Amino acid sequence: EVQLLESGGGLVQPGGSLRLSCGASGFSFDNYAMGWVRQAPGKGLEWISSLSARGDNLYYADSLKGRFTISRDNPKNTLYLQMKSLRAEDTAIYYCAKVQMYGPFYYDTDDAFDVWGQGTMVTVSS
Amino acid sequence: QSVLIQPPSASGTPGQRVTISCSGSSSNIEFNYVYWYQQLPGTAPQLLIYRNNQRPSGVPDRFSASKSGTSASLAISGLRSEDEADYFCAAWDDSLSGSYVFGSGTKVTVL
Repeated sequence: EVQLLESGGGLVQPGGSLRLSCGASGFSFDNYAMGWVRQAPGKGLEWISSLSARGDNLYYADSLKGRFTISRDNPKNTLYLQMKSLRAEDTAIYYCAKVQMYGPFYYDTDDAFDVWGQGTMVTVSS
Repeated sequence: QSVLIQPPSASGTPGQRVTISCSGSSSNIEFNYVYWYQQLPGTAPQLLIYRNNQRPSGVPDRFSASKSGTSASLAISGLRSEDEADYFCAAWDDSLSGSYVFGSGTKVTVL
């Protein structure tokens, strides 16, 4: 069964940092691009970032560029999101998601997220 | 402010047909695929439609979607109580450095 499991969320003070992890299982992780999407309480979905299978093509939401960094460790089947200078408005559930199409060497950004994790809650508050 | 605009709510009685619109622009919907995600209460989103009108395996054919120009729509026919959820459209947007944009979301209520 294809599964994604996020971890690393919690309470952090404004200005702090946090690293989220997403463990993948049930598929060949290094053959698929991955992404992060967040959802503030009671709000809609917001795309954060996507990363190609080999980790050589990265895409970020302009509003978050510079504060958030996506990365992956293919041998460990793990996706990461490093977040710094956190603000109250970063409070949200953070989901990792698998890109649908098989693509070990090429990432077409025009693609769906077909598998989602259950999410990890990040609360930024003093 | 979402780049893709959806009505905040839609409703219908069991068995009815409900449609949800998604309005975008030439930088997203018109020349890129449209995706639809369903989010049941308290759960993670799940892919409902990909590449404008394709259903992943396991998605009932009661769900259908289409695209025309800078707009898209999702239709739910034979509405069932378990369809009560939030629905989000999405597309890749080619403006600036590119981004994956979601619609504002539509809450479907089964009366």
